[in-house]
Amino acid sequence: GAVVSQHPSRVICKSGTSVKIECRSLDFQATTMFWYRQFPKKSLMLMATSNEGSKATYEQGVEKDKFLINHASLTLSTLTVTSAHPEDSSFYICSASPPRGRTSNEQFFGPGTRLTVL
Amino acid sequence: SQQGEEDPQALSIQEGENATMNCSYKTSINNLQWYRQNSGRGLVHLILIRSNEREKHSGRLRVTLDTSKKSSSLLITASRAADTASYFCATGMPGGTSYGKLTFGQGTILTVHP
Repeated sequence: GAVVSQHPSRVICKSGTSVKIECRSLDFQATTMFWYRQFPKKSLMLMATSNEGSKATYEQGVEKDKFLINHASLTLSTLTVTSAHPEDSSFYICSASPPRGRTSNEQFFGPGTRLTVL
Repeated sequence: SQQGEEDPQALSIQEGENATMNCSYKTSINNLQWYRQNSGRGLVHLILIRSNEREKHSGRLRVTLDTSKKSSSLLITASRAADTASYFCATGMPGGTSYGKLTFGQGTILTVHP
């Protein structure tokens, strides 16, 4: 149980285009999902907290208009990188937290999406 | 902000040896978790230790937590080549604006040579 999927696993796009990444909780309902960014050989940096049915909460320094997050259902959150530039190239990882998990900081992680912007 | 600091940044050992990684943090926590990440992959949850616990075991893993020193250690005993990966600690905050969030340490890259 507690499987989280991400799609696509890899994406290469041209500079200026927008890319959408999906995060799905496959066998549980996730009221909260988190989006992280990871640079090579670095740690995970939390970008935003996505709550079902409400606006995402972005961490300091993360551009809301650049990284659009939508949490339309209890099993799906999407991250759209708008007008992508080479510096947006990174590994994006999502995680999902079941309703009971907030108090224990319980999160289940997706396999990640490798974005390369040419 | 990233509050966890791990040392060493990289650790290279022979198969069969024990590997110890340390994590320090700065603020009060609800719990501390250790994760493993193989290159280019997602995170695998290893173990969670609550703030009122001092030691926890899971198979070949042993985690300690010292809240007075704000530090934790992960010990992998009898290491195997398959244990080669990056290991991250992550702290869960008690509440407030950080409710449900995890803050990750910088990670330790472990290489186990056969």
